[in-house]
Amino acid sequence: NAGVTQTPKFQVLKTGQSMTLQCAQDMNHEYMSWYRQDPGMGLRLIHYSVGAGITDQGEVPNGYNVSRSTTEDFPLRLLSAAPSQTSVYFCASRAGSALGQFFGPGTRLTVL
Amino acid sequence: GQQLNQSPQSMFIQEGEDVSMNCTSSSIFNTWLWYKQDPGEGPVLLIALYKAGELTSNGRLTAQFGITRKDSFLNISASIPSDVGIYFCAGLNYGGSQGNLIFGKGTKLSVKP
Repeated sequence: NAGVTQTPKFQVLKTGQSMTLQCAQDMNHEYMSWYRQDPGMGLRLIHYSVGAGITDQGEVPNGYNVSRSTTEDFPLRLLSAAPSQTSVYFCASRAGSALGQFFGPGTRLTVL
Repeated sequence: GQQLNQSPQSMFIQEGEDVSMNCTSSSIFNTWLWYKQDPGEGPVLLIALYKAGELTSNGRLTAQFGITRKDSFLNISASIPSDVGIYFCAGLNYGGSQGNLIFGKGTKLSVKP
């Protein structure tokens, strides 16, 4: 199994540009989520999904959209990038509500 | 909302020393998780605790789920240079959504050879 994969690993955007961060898992996990990690802030939840077709907002959802059309994929969209969205983004998945969560390697995003 | 207080924020220790870090919360959790993050990588799950009072080991790592369900600690014995990284605790409530997985802000560990 590849586990949780994320692409790209690095990205630089200009303010106002849009892009999609890709996340895929091959473990047939129901739960998937997106976090951002900023210095001194730990991991903050952006959006999550408890299964295909179901998504919900986390702690910091503004400026981000998600969709979950398949169990495997959970892309994160930035519609109009802002410098405040400069961060490291992690996708994660887990099999059930009570189980440990597995993280992808991260996408380092810089918005100029 | 729920918050986790993780301490210490950072530690500088000598190789071979034991390390202890902990997380406390004002709320009850049903599961405690401990992660390690190496530079440039995603967090990796080290230990998961599912029952109050549970003590679980993974090699030189030992973690405990506090009896009150409001705290957990992680010990590392005989530290080595590859233990360097950021350690995160996370608390989880059963039946909840992803929104109920709460992370501490991390303990940054540095080990001098």
